[in-house]
Parts: sequence; C-alpha cells; structure tokens
Amino acid sequence: AQSVTQLDSQVPVFEEAPVELRCNYSSSVSVYLFWYVQYPNQGLQLLLKYLSGSTLVKGINGFEAEFNKSQTSFHLRKPSVHISDTAEYFCAVSEGMPGGGADGLTFGKGTHLIIQP
Amino acid sequence: GAGVSQSPSNKVTEKGKDVELRCDPISGHTALYWYRQSLGQGLEFLIYFQGNSAPDKSGLPSDRFSAERTGGSVSTLTIQRTQQEDSAVYLCASSLRPYGYTFGSGTRLTVV
Repeated sequence: AQSVTQLDSQVPVFEEAPVELRCNYSSSVSVYLFWYVQYPNQGLQLLLKYLSGSTLVKGINGFEAEFNKSQTSFHLRKPSVHISDTAEYFCAVSEGMPGGGADGLTFGKGTHLIIQP
Repeated sequence: GAGVSQSPSNKVTEKGKDVELRCDPISGHTALYWYRQSLGQGLEFLIYFQGNSAPDKSGLPSDRFSAERTGGSVSTLTIQRTQQEDSAVYLCASSLRPYGYTFGSGTRLTVV
C-alpha cells in the first residue's frame, strides 16, 4: 500500500527567501504525485502534478517540484516566497491511474508554510 | 458548473441527529471522491464513485456513514446518529483523468 510522509508539520520562512517542503512516499509500483495547497477556510487547489516524462514539474504561483525515484521523494520548492503563500500544503500519491482510481489519492498530513515579513 | 459545489458550507447539528452533505461535481467529471479532514488527522479517504457505482466503500468509518450518487452527477453523504467524533470538514472532489482532482470548499460539520 502507498503512503506519504511530509517531514515537516510547520515551516517558517522569511518573505522573499527560498523554501523547500519535503515529501517522501512509499509504493511498490509506479506512482503519480501531486501537490495541493489549501488557503484558510478553502478547499484544496492543485499546485502541480507528476504523471510521467520530465522529473522537474512546474506549477502555478512559481512553485516547482522534482520527482526523484531513487530517493522516493517529490519535494516542493519556490525560489522566493510571498506573504500570500501562507497556507497548508499537501503532498499526495496515487498508484495506477492518474487522478486516483479505486483507492483515491493518499495524502500526507500537510505542511503549514508560515511566511514572516 | 465551473467548480465543485458543496452544501451546506457549515452545519451544526445535535448529537444523535442525521445529516446530509451534498456535492455537485464539475459537469462531465465521471469520478467523485469524498474525504474527511480532521484536526491533526490530515485527509482521510472515505469513498469513491465511478459514475453511479462505488467500487470501494471500505473507507467509510462506520455503518452510520453512507453515500450515493445519482445520474452520474450529484452525490450525497449521509451520517446517521451523528457523534462528536464526526466533527470535521468533509471535502468532495471530482476528476476527469488524468487531470487530477478539483476540490470543493468543503462542509464544516460540528456535532454538539
């Protein structure tokens, strides 16, 4: 069965500094990987996804992530953060069909990104 | 519609009462998912529909929970005899493979 570990529950960063949010997964088969962002009192919004092809994936709002199969990681990065990036970030994995399938997406517990002025 | 719509956005109910949560997915999205988000628990998968069929209901926490989907569109999650531990945000998502999920804003359920 698949599982996702987000190593940091909370990450404080100063505005305009770079950030990396870590995500590791375990799976015995090929996976599809996603990052979602949740702003306060809102649903989850897709930031980016890896389905196949280039291991460096670019998403919205200047975020990118790199799929590393040997390290089973899919870390999220942004070179310069803004106050508006303050939110909860969830890494998710799916085995088999992209978008889920019978088991749906498995989510990590989330990382709260706190941007300090 | 343009996005996934969930109603109500907030629901306060007394312990022991039944509640119905509604999800209206994006038109044409064949797959629909229900998740529960509790404080400190992350996101918990509940059930998945492909069309009107739910191949796997094992994620439902107890037999007080049930869900249905009609016409390949609207889905209803019903919780009978609500308990305080049912308090959470219930999120619905729909998808058209392989483009990932689109989530609704959720229903915040509070059982008092």
